[in-house]
Amino acid sequence: GAGVSQSPRYKVAKRGQDVALRCDPISGHVSLFWYQQALGQGPEFLTYFQNEAQLDKSGLPSDRFFAERPEGSVSTLKIQRTQQEDSAVYLCASSLGGQRGYTFGSGTRLTVV
Amino acid sequence: GIQVEQSPPDLILQEGANSTLRCNFSDSVNNLQWFHQNPWGQLINLFYIPSGTKQNGRLSATTVATERYSLLYISSSQTTDSGVYFCAVHSGGSNYKLTFGKGTLLTVNP
Repeated sequence: GAGVSQSPRYKVAKRGQDVALRCDPISGHVSLFWYQQALGQGPEFLTYFQNEAQLDKSGLPSDRFFAERPEGSVSTLKIQRTQQEDSAVYLCASSLGGQRGYTFGSGTRLTVV
Repeated sequence: GIQVEQSPPDLILQEGANSTLRCNFSDSVNNLQWFHQNPWGQLINLFYIPSGTKQNGRLSATTVATERYSLLYISSSQTTDSGVYFCAVHSGGSNYKLTFGKGTLLTVNP
């Protein structure tokens, strides 16, 4: 597609529920990133894929967070047993590689109640 | 890790006014980017500017890497310029991970 598409746009989850957030990157983009943006803060790095390989997951806050990109295209960020502190906007970005051409999606706003 | 500080945190302007946003960073950087986050939440890249000065229409940016700061200038502001402006850097051994500042919330009133 023309841009990075994320779904759902909004998600309300009850505490303890599992959620899955989807990212469709720009076709042909090798690199894919997930960021977490808390209210009033800048985005914070979660994880990085090059094709299907997860090269850096140092930003994932706990083992309840899991990301995958099995075919090197669509990516899913899964959060198990959600907690209130997981409430944030989750942003996905893709690029051809390197530092240039970062394109962000509009994000998924997750609210845990 | 590297620290990125932006000022001012909030800025209110009348349409037509000029403004300067500042970004300070605590260590040397490989690259620096300015983003605009629109009211729908999407981050739009404005500039890649590890050093020097660039201009794009009413926007321009200057990075002085040796003094560890960057400035974003907005001239003749319009209501559509409203939103949050973020500075983000690549640093250390990473050529992919961005570290963001907390942003400047700009409101341009008609």
